Amino acid sequence: QQPVQSPQAVILREGEDAVINCSSSKALYSVHWYRQKHGEAPVFLMILLKGGEQKGHEKISASFNEKKQQSSLYLTASQLSYSGTYFCGTEEEGSQGNLIFGKGTKLSVKP
Amino acid sequence: DAMVIQNPRYQVTQFGKPVTLSCSQTLNHNVMYWYQQKSSQAPKLLFHYYDKDFNNEADTPDNFQSRRPNTSFCFLDIRSPGLGDAAMYLCATSRYLGGRSEQYFGPGTRLTVT
Repeated sequence: QQPVQSPQAVILREGEDAVINCSSSKALYSVHWYRQKHGEAPVFLMILLKGGEQKGHEKISASFNEKKQQSSLYLTASQLSYSGTYFCGTEEEGSQGNLIFGKGTKLSVKP
Repeated sequence: DAMVIQNPRYQVTQFGKPVTLSCSQTLNHNVMYWYQQKSSQAPKLLFHYYDKDFNNEADTPDNFQSRRPNTSFCFLDIRSPGLGDAAMYLCATSRYLGGRSEQYFGPGTRLTVT
């Protein structure tokens, strides 16, 4: 079941914050976050495992609420380099371990 | 220090003419994946190999086949490409299946069907 991402697109000024959400109707074991710039391959950001953890990576962090089957990606003090499309990939419990990617959230950071 | 390499980066083929895309990795990962990504869409998993074990997604057309002759290389064969097969094809690897292993993506091969 493909996860639902919101918003579909967001435009920010440098220094502003953003939150991207990812939700599933299935019980999840893990959520992965990737960023893809136009014409390039997706690049791994972080993995969150069942257990409701929160992770951080510089000014990008994420949380996973396993009860709600939701994950959120937080981008603080955005930089121009944050522009791209953000995909969440969900691993359903009991699956082979493959990821199902959401449709993506296009983030544009303007000067 | 390229880790996942895809060749060619751009491929043009004619309708119905078989085409092979290749992927190699220097990470010695157990798992290799092939994804299809159409414009402004999410990557869609076609199949994966865990070592030599091949796993086909249920909705992957029979027109798509794959080979993994050794740990480092994996090929995607499209037997009779149609116009709807034009897309970016991404190869990815991970150490293990499942949530603990991040996936490393290659730069992709953009396939055009004329």
